[in-house]
Amino acid sequence: DAGVIQSPRHEVTEMGQEVTLRCKPISGHDYLFWYRQTMMRGLELLIYFNNNVPIDDSGMPEDRFSAKMPNASFSTLKIQPSEPRDSAVYFCASSGPRTSPGELFFGEGSRLTVL
Amino acid sequence: KQEVTQIPAALSVPEGENLVLNCSFTDSAIYNLQWFRQDPGKGLTSLLLIQSSQREQTSGRLNASLDKSSGRSTLYIAASQPGDSATYLCASVGANFGNEKLTFGTGTRLTIIP
Repeated sequence: DAGVIQSPRHEVTEMGQEVTLRCKPISGHDYLFWYRQTMMRGLELLIYFNNNVPIDDSGMPEDRFSAKMPNASFSTLKIQPSEPRDSAVYFCASSGPRTSPGELFFGEGSRLTVL
Repeated sequence: KQEVTQIPAALSVPEGENLVLNCSFTDSAIYNLQWFRQDPGKGLTSLLLIQSSQREQTSGRLNASLDKSSGRSTLYIAASQPGDSATYLCASVGANFGNEKLTFGTGTRLTIIP
């Protein structure tokens, strides 16, 4: 398996623009997580899905952020409109069902810079 | 709400020494606990996973232990090498439905001095 795949790896945009980050989880995994990492706040969970259904989105900063998982092999995280304080590395991760050990696998991340 | 703490935030040791990284958590209702490694500018790589029913796991020079009753986990690295330099993070997974997320500590930045 190719692992968790994220795109783009780097994104530089101007304040007010829409940003869409994409994630392909490992095949067969039914949990998908979106995390954000900054120097100041470390790793923060934004939202997670189980079987394509959002379970906990309490970490989503505000209405400018939205996430979807239309099928088991694809998820998006959208920021509209983007602001400079959204600059961070956004990680997607996936894990198997609760009958498995539950090891979490991370993608390489999408580094977002909002000017 | 689960809180995970890692102390110290940074650690420097000479090459060849054995070392221990510490992780503590407040809620013992965990499904598992994982240790990750993160190199600068990279994603997180899973090192070891300990399920809630286990006491320890070993992989090569790494040994992780778990004591749920005291809310502690340790990562032991034997015969440290410069290539071990990285940030090490521990994270717990909640056991209950609706709380299956990983809660991360802030990490320990490890430097192995050649």
